[in-house]
Amino acid sequence: EPEVTQTPSHQVTQMGQEVILRCVPISNHLYFYWYRQILGQKVEFLVSFYNNEISEKSEIFDDQFSVERPDGSNFTLKIRSTKLEDSAMYFCASFRGQGIANEQFFGPGTRLTVL
Amino acid sequence: AQSVTQPDIHITVSEGASLELRCNYSYGATPYLFWYVQSPGQGLQLLLKYFSGDTLVQGIKGFEAEFKRSQSSFNLRKPSVHWSDAAEYFCAVEGSSASKIIFGSGTRLSIRP
Repeated sequence: EPEVTQTPSHQVTQMGQEVILRCVPISNHLYFYWYRQILGQKVEFLVSFYNNEISEKSEIFDDQFSVERPDGSNFTLKIRSTKLEDSAMYFCASFRGQGIANEQFFGPGTRLTVL
Repeated sequence: AQSVTQPDIHITVSEGASLELRCNYSYGATPYLFWYVQSPGQGLQLLLKYFSGDTLVQGIKGFEAEFKRSQSSFNLRKPSVHWSDAAEYFCAVEGSSASKIIFGSGTRLSIRP
């Protein structure tokens, strides 16, 4: 069964460093998403991406964040200058975009630790 | 604005007992509704979803949920819990196809032996 994959599973970085989190969505999916979950809290929407552009973003997704689909398979989230409060689990999701049964498929997550 | 409320932060039930986790949502129309389960340090697993039709939805692991439009609720139930059901459970809504999913704050389920 096709699945969303994410790398790395755990990333440790120093405050102020740039990080790139990588996701490989399901191959025939058209919509892509990033969510994050701070430890012990709920999952929060960051950004959605369709047709090579951002379709929606939350207040969390400020100028320090960017997303890119550099090729036909990867979908990346870049944090330009990490802060301590960026420490969280980051989930990628993808959605096929066709049919009435709507379901976003989530990846296993990348745990980001900012020291 | 869309929102999801899970009024119970933590619930403890005995193994073999029945379970009901509450979820209320706020949205102008009928949204898409989901329940996810998350074990510690793990990702999100979809238990079940409601899009339309029959208001009683069957999911994996013996879970079911009932959509009640009049109460704006989508409560999760299981007739007999197992120790392996101990986890965090998230109710979620999606306003329209391809839009963002909004999660509730979660209910942590503990199982008493």
